Amino acid sequence: EVQLMESGGSLVQPGGSLRLSCTVSGFTVSSSFMNWVRQAPGRGLEWISVIYSNGNTYNADSVQGRFIISRDNSKNTVYLQMNRLRDEDTAMYYCARVSLYTDVNGYTAQGALDIWGQGTMVTVSS
Amino acid sequence: AIRMTQSPSSLSASTGDTVTITCRASQDISTFLAWYQQKPGTAPNLLISAASTLQNGVPSRFSGSGSGTDFTLTISGLQSEDFATYYCQHYYGYPRTFGGGTRVEIK
Repeated sequence: EVQLMESGGSLVQPGGSLRLSCTVSGFTVSSSFMNWVRQAPGRGLEWISVIYSNGNTYNADSVQGRFIISRDNSKNTVYLQMNRLRDEDTAMYYCARVSLYTDVNGYTAQGALDIWGQGTMVTVSS
Repeated sequence: AIRMTQSPSSLSASTGDTVTITCRASQDISTFLAWYQQKPGTAPNLLISAASTLQNGVPSRFSGSGSGTDFTLTISGLQSEDFATYYCQHYYGYPRTFGGGTRVEIK
């Protein structure tokens, strides 16, 4: 069964650090494109980070320089290292897989986010 | 970054109604557009990709259309389980921005 399970969320003080984990089953992270998406309480969804199958990463401007996405292929797990946390980082954090498809030119292309975890809550407060 | 603008932000409807949600991109994204449904306390669920392709298991009362910058999600014959919040998201490169969401409430 394809499944994503986030963990690591907790209460942390402003300026602190936290590492979130997304443990995957049913497929391999090394051949996938994995995202992190967050949702502040009562607010909409915000895309924040992606790691490509080749290891390249990309972050939203709101977290660039503070958050680092990585993965451990041996553990089939994706991580989000969050540093210099701010009040506005308080949110539910979801990991999600990018679906892959073959485009009209025969290349593998990235699609929508087809599998999501249940989320882990991060609260930044003093 | 591409901005995604959804409207309305909320709507009230009755079961059996047909509702339409719109999503506008700030630049041409072809059909690289997805729709998600989110119920309170749960993760988003992918309904439609490529602007109009229903995911397996999604009821046929859901439909999507559009290309370029203007897109719509239509629910024909609203059911009780459809009361939720709906988000559009482009996947025309990164950052993959979401629309602000449309909350569909019971009238």
